[in-house]
Amino acid sequence: EAGVAQSPRYKIIEKRQSVAFWCNPISGHATLYWYQQILGQGPKLLIQFQNNGVVDDSQLPKDRFSAERLKGVDSTLKIQPAKLEDSAVYLCASSSRISGAFFGQGTRLTVV
Amino acid sequence: GESVGLHLPTLSVQEGDNSIINCAYSNSASDYFIWYKQESGKGPQFIIDIRSNMDKRQGQRVTVLLNKTVKHLSLQIAATQPGDSAVYFCAETSTSGTYKYIFGTGTRLKVLA
Repeated sequence: EAGVAQSPRYKIIEKRQSVAFWCNPISGHATLYWYQQILGQGPKLLIQFQNNGVVDDSQLPKDRFSAERLKGVDSTLKIQPAKLEDSAVYLCASSSRISGAFFGQGTRLTVV
Repeated sequence: GESVGLHLPTLSVQEGDNSIINCAYSNSASDYFIWYKQESGKGPQFIIDIRSNMDKRQGQRVTVLLNKTVKHLSLQIAATQPGDSAVYFCAETSTSGTYKYIFGTGTRLKVLA
């Protein structure tokens, strides 16, 4: 079974620029998560989708972050404009009702 | 690659010894728990899970213990190997809720040769 795919693996941008990350979940997984992991910390949930609907986005900085999951499969997470403190690893995960959450390799974002 | 946990609690064990990593969870309503292993530059890898109707679950070289009374989880790794060196996280969720996974702060395991 193919795992969660994310791209790009690395991204370096200047502050105030925009960036987008892409995620393809495990086939058949209805739930998709975006987490932010700052160095030295555990992953923090940004947004959770059930199919193409948002279940939880309480920790998403909505003035600069947006995410969508069109057609209930792939998802994109966008940051516009980026700040220095957005430097982190952005992890995508997916799950089904009978499985735990499985993660992709993540995208390491550096904002300079 | 860059370390995922420069300031995390660290457990150092001798190769071949057993390791015990502990985790306190926060939500009394949580009824499903997962241990993840995260190596430098990689995403968290699912190791083993346990539901609240169990106290213990065993996998290959790993055992998870759950104490609901004190909201505590532990991960035991038998005969620790150099490849076990990583940061370990526990995650909790409530299956009667939205399946939002909350992560602990993590523990770095260092295996000494």
